[in-house]
Amino acid sequence: DAGVTQSPTHLIKTRGQHVTLRCSPISGHKSVSWYQQVLGQGPQFIFQYYEKEERGRGNFPDRFSARQFPNYSSELNVNALLLGDSALYLCASSRDGLKQETQYFGPGTRLLVL
Amino acid sequence: AQSVTQPDIHITVSEGASLELRCNYSYGATPYLFWYVQSPGQGLQLLLKYFSGDTLVQGIKGFEAEFKRSQSSFNLRKPSVHWSDAAEYFCAVVPSGAGSYQLTFGKGTKLSVIP
Repeated sequence: DAGVTQSPTHLIKTRGQHVTLRCSPISGHKSVSWYQQVLGQGPQFIFQYYEKEERGRGNFPDRFSARQFPNYSSELNVNALLLGDSALYLCASSRDGLKQETQYFGPGTRLLVL
Repeated sequence: AQSVTQPDIHITVSEGASLELRCNYSYGATPYLFWYVQSPGQGLQLLLKYFSGDTLVQGIKGFEAEFKRSQSSFNLRKPSVHWSDAAEYFCAVVPSGAGSYQLTFGKGTKLSVIP
């Protein structure tokens, strides 16, 4: 089976623009989580979705939003981009979104905001 | 405040030497504990995890970790490091019980291996 896939792999935007990042979970996985990893730091939790419902949200501004589709894929949207949004955005999936479950990470989307 | 600390930013070891990466957490109750590895340009891969039971946990690639409740620690070890182990290692926790599903990561420890 394919692992978690993310698109695009790289993206360059300018301040004030909007961006949409996409994630396809492992087949059979119903939960998707999004993380932001700034250079030199550990990943920071942004959102978790399970069965199309938001289950958790990290300490990020309302410019960040996400949704999960009936096929369990997900989109992360960021509005009014700031320079500080430049980061690697990671998507992770798990079967049922339980805390004990292994989360499988995709390779990430590297976003550069100029 | 809940937190995860990895005190060592960068560690260099010789190939074949033993390795210990430190992780300390600050949570009200024992959380669920994880170690992930990230190779350059790659996503994160789970090495091992601890929920309860035996405090010595075996993982993939020859890694193990020991949970010590009294020290709020979950240190990662490997008896003999291989050059391919060079990567960044992250300790992560999620609160046990009801409530937040937020997985919180430490800042990571970068491992360099000298041939």
